[in-house]
Amino acid sequence: NAGVTQTPKFQVLKTGQSMTLQCAQDMNHEYMSWYRQDPGMGLRLIHYSVGAGITDQGEVPNGYNVSRSTTEDFPLRLLSAAPSQTSVYFCASSSRDGWLSYEQYFGPGTRLTVT
Amino acid sequence: QQQVKQSPQSLIVQKGGISIINCAYENTAFDYFPWYQQFPGKGPALLIAIRPDVSEKKEGRFTISFNKSAKQFSLHIMDSQPGDSATYFCAAVNSGAGSYQLTFGKGTKLSVIP
Repeated sequence: NAGVTQTPKFQVLKTGQSMTLQCAQDMNHEYMSWYRQDPGMGLRLIHYSVGAGITDQGEVPNGYNVSRSTTEDFPLRLLSAAPSQTSVYFCASSSRDGWLSYEQYFGPGTRLTVT
Repeated sequence: QQQVKQSPQSLIVQKGGISIINCAYENTAFDYFPWYQQFPGKGPALLIAIRPDVSEKKEGRFTISFNKSAKQFSLHIMDSQPGDSATYFCAAVNSGAGSYQLTFGKGTKLSVIP
């Protein structure tokens, strides 16, 4: 199993550009989520999904869109990048039991810089 | 409003010493308290977790102590090793809200020196 994979690992965008961060898992997990990590801020939930076709907002959803058309994939779209979106982005997944016990498996992260 | 306050921000401990990281919360609806460990360049990984009906949970060298009345919980790492050097995050969950969202503390960077 590859676990949770994220691409790209690094990305530099100009203000106003759009892009999609990719996340995939091969563990047949129902639950997937996106977090951003900023220095001294911990991790903050952006969006999450409890299954294909079902998504919901987390703590900091503005400026981001998600969709979940398959169990495996959960892409995060930045609609119009802003410098405030410079961050490290983590995707996580868990089984239903894992969600209830909060054992989420995190990907390696995507480091995004917006200039 | 920061719902989970974590301290210290950084910690340096000698090999073999005890590392102690503290967290405090305000929302009494929180009912699950996991700790995550993150190594540089990696995603966080679940280390140990506790529910408020238990005052202490131990797994190997890692122990969570929980004080419900004070709304505080802490992570103790006994016999700290250089391989424990990482950033540690406490978190809290209100499972009754149905969203299972993790609210993280800001993290503690632990350095264990030989």
